[in-house]
Amino acid sequence: GQQVMQIPQYQHVQEGEDFTTYCNSSTTLSNIQWYKQRPGGHPVFLIQLVKSGEVKKQKRLTFQFGEAKKNSSLHITATQTTDVGTYFCAGLWDTGGFKTIFGAGTRLFVKA
Amino acid sequence: NAGVMQNPRHLVRRRGQEARLRCSPMKGHSHVYWYRQLPEEGLKFMVYLQKENIIDESGMPKERFSAEFPKEGPSILRIQQVVRGDSAAYFCASSPGLASGELFFGEGSRLTVL
Repeated sequence: GQQVMQIPQYQHVQEGEDFTTYCNSSTTLSNIQWYKQRPGGHPVFLIQLVKSGEVKKQKRLTFQFGEAKKNSSLHITATQTTDVGTYFCAGLWDTGGFKTIFGAGTRLFVKA
Repeated sequence: NAGVMQNPRHLVRRRGQEARLRCSPMKGHSHVYWYRQLPEEGLKFMVYLQKENIIDESGMPKERFSAEFPKEGPSILRIQQVVRGDSAAYFCASSPGLASGELFFGEGSRLTVL
């Protein structure tokens, strides 16, 4: 069945350092979404990427969708303590009945 | 505009009892997803429903678990004869329709089985 692999599982950074998390699917995605979940909270939508090679920015966050629409990344520049949480990618496949499948998430720890 | 409402937020059950979790989607949303999350783990897809219709229940255990989304009222995830392994956070999400993108999540129902 469809699944997305996400790495790393955990990342510890010093405040001000950059952070990147990667997602990979073995089959072509219809689109990919990114969510953030704060500790003890619920997932909150960040962005959706649809087009091959698409790059979107939200302040210090940069999202990319691969040319083959099989991989994606989220890069945070100059992390802040407010960036702490778990970042999930979520994939949608045309052949998957449009159910959204989440990666395992990358938990980000930021040390002040 | 109220968001996705889940209740109860916390539920404690003894082994063998039944757990019923409710989810009211955002206004205007006709599609509901249920996900399960174990501590420190990801979101595992369980079931995807439209009003009065189960679209995809491939992530739902075959036994003890059922879900419905009636024409009137909230979506309900029902777990019969709960076991300790059912302890988890259960998140509901809603969307306006097929392939519509963003999922709006509720705050979750945290089930503890003693």
